This record gives sequence, C-alpha cells and structure tokens, in this order.
Amino acid sequence: GESVGLHLPTLSVQEGDNSIINCAYSNSASDYFIWYKQESGKGPQFIIDIRSNMDKRQGQRVTVLLNKTVKHLSLQIAATQPGDSAVYFCAEIHGGYQKVTFGIGTKLQVIP
Amino acid sequence: DADVTQTPRNRITKTGKRIMLECSQTKGHDRMYWYRQDPGLGLQLIYYSFDVKDINKGEISDGYSVSRQAQAKFSLSLESAIPNQTALYFCATSNRAGDTQYFGPGTRLTVL
Repeated sequence: GESVGLHLPTLSVQEGDNSIINCAYSNSASDYFIWYKQESGKGPQFIIDIRSNMDKRQGQRVTVLLNKTVKHLSLQIAATQPGDSAVYFCAEIHGGYQKVTFGIGTKLQVIP
Repeated sequence: DADVTQTPRNRITKTGKRIMLECSQTKGHDRMYWYRQDPGLGLQLIYYSFDVKDINKGEISDGYSVSRQAQAKFSLSLESAIPNQTALYFCATSNRAGDTQYFGPGTRLTVL
C-alpha cells in the first residue's frame, strides 16, 4: 500500500481539527457515490455513501456533501484523529454497475 | 477471520511467466471483481463476475483472464506476465449492483 500514496494530493491537518477532502466527478448521470479509506498496506474500506437524490448524509464523525450542479463531492471528518491518516478516494457509479469510476485519492496526514 | 482474502500477498515473477492470483470470500456475495491499482491512478476494473456463469470484461482486461470456480472463489491469471503489469491487485465483492464493495487486502505483484 505504500506506493499508493505517491504522487497524490496531500492534506495535512492538526489532530482535533476538521478535515475536508474534495472530489470532482465526471459523469452527470452518476447516481450513487461512495467514499473509501485506504490505509497503508490494506485494501479500500467503505466509509459512507450517498445517492444522487440527496445532498448530504451524515455518519459517525463523517459527513458527505453532494453538489450535482458542479459535480462535486466532499468528505468532512470531524475532530480528525491519527487513525484517520490514510488515502481517501471517491467512487461514482451509474447504470447499476455499468460504470464505476474511482478517483485517484487524497492522502490525509494527521499531525499529532 | 477476514471476509475477503487474497493469495499470495506479494509475488515477484519474471517476464513471460504465468501467474494466478486467488480470491476467496465468506460474505456470501454473488458479485466479485478484480482491480489493479497504480500510483497516481484510480482503481481500474479488470474483470467482474455477477455469478458463477456470468463473467464480464472490465476496462483493462487485455493480458488477463479469470475463472469463477465457485460463488466464493474468483481467480485472476496473467498468462504471460509483462513488466507493465506490476501493480497492486485487489479483489472485491458486493451483494448487488451499485452496492458497497468489500475489498480484500491486495496482492503486490512485481514483474521483472
């Protein structure tokens, strides 16, 4: 998993601060979106999802916002912790599983 | 025990060799997927299978083949490995189209 973090945009935040990770998606027909977290040496893990008929969805310490007008998705992490350090990427899905596109990801570094 | 397992976790091989990567799942999901991940790129779909008798090519299937031996097992083969197939390979499962995909821990393959 170490090489996954190379050449990625990086966001550094202080422990306890809120983090906002952004994703621009490409297909206006996409109707389902997922955020994944990938820690070093591990496979991606589901964090939260949102359907296109919603503009906000909240989970535990995480919130996803969807702006269909500008095809933008964001992931907000409240009170960021060291364990949140990972690569985060979005996925857009449309037509059932006819097409899934994954973003390249953003590396989140939490400064203790 | 992990729900999605991959073997081997790491493999180094030489150009021209045949390689098989294996994936097993205990989630009872019908759908299984193989992806590759390269630095600076999003996950790319190689093959996917909606059930034992249904196998479909993904975006980058050239140079790869798959076998769905059972609902729980999905293998990826490189018939004649080449250096640009050096990457992280992930297997994933899902219950139905568009639903959350659960990823295995990945296989790091290096072709010399």
